[in-house]
Amino acid sequence: AQSVTQLGSHVSVSEGALVLLRCNYSSSVPPYLFWYVQYPNQGLQLLLKYTTGATLVKGINGFEAEFKKSETSFHLTKPSAHMSDAAEYFCAVSDQDQAGTALIFGKGTTLSVSS
Amino acid sequence: GAGVSQSPSNKVTEKGKDVELRCDPISGHTALYWYRQRLGQGLEFLIYFQGNSAPDKSGLPSDRFSAERTGESVSTLTIQRTQQEDSAVYLCASSLAVSGGQGEQFFGPGTRLTVL
Repeated sequence: AQSVTQLGSHVSVSEGALVLLRCNYSSSVPPYLFWYVQYPNQGLQLLLKYTTGATLVKGINGFEAEFKKSETSFHLTKPSAHMSDAAEYFCAVSDQDQAGTALIFGKGTTLSVSS
Repeated sequence: GAGVSQSPSNKVTEKGKDVELRCDPISGHTALYWYRQRLGQGLEFLIYFQGNSAPDKSGLPSDRFSAERTGESVSTLTIQRTQQEDSAVYLCASSLAVSGGQGEQFFGPGTRLTVL
């Protein structure tokens, strides 16, 4: 069975600092990996996804993530945090072998950005 | 174009009552998903519809939960005899029917259900 672990339910950074949100997954088959962001009182929005090909994936708002098969990780980074990045971030995995499969989500990491 | 919409945005009900939540997917999206987000938890998959195929109900937590979808349009999630543990945000998502789970899922704003 697939699972996702997000290390750290809450991460706090200063504006301009590096953002690193950790995600590890468990999957017996090649996975598709996603990061979603949820701003207060809004729905989830896709930040980026990894399907196949290049393991470094660039998303919206300056975020990127690297798929590391050997470490079963898909950590999300941004070089310089902005106040507007404060939100909840969810890592998710789906199964490449199943068409249109539902996503398995981590429990989320709340990012706080201070000035 | 319009995104995924859900109604109501908030629902407060008494324990034991039935509730019905509605989801309008993006036009042309054949796949529709329901998830539940309880406080401090990630999203839990509930049910998945794909075109005219039988729905995947493997995530429904009990037989008090059911969902229907008319063709490739509106879906309703019904919770009968609500319990306090049903309190959560119920999220609906839709996607194009892309094989291998690649299709990006577009989420609605959710319905916040509070069972007193």
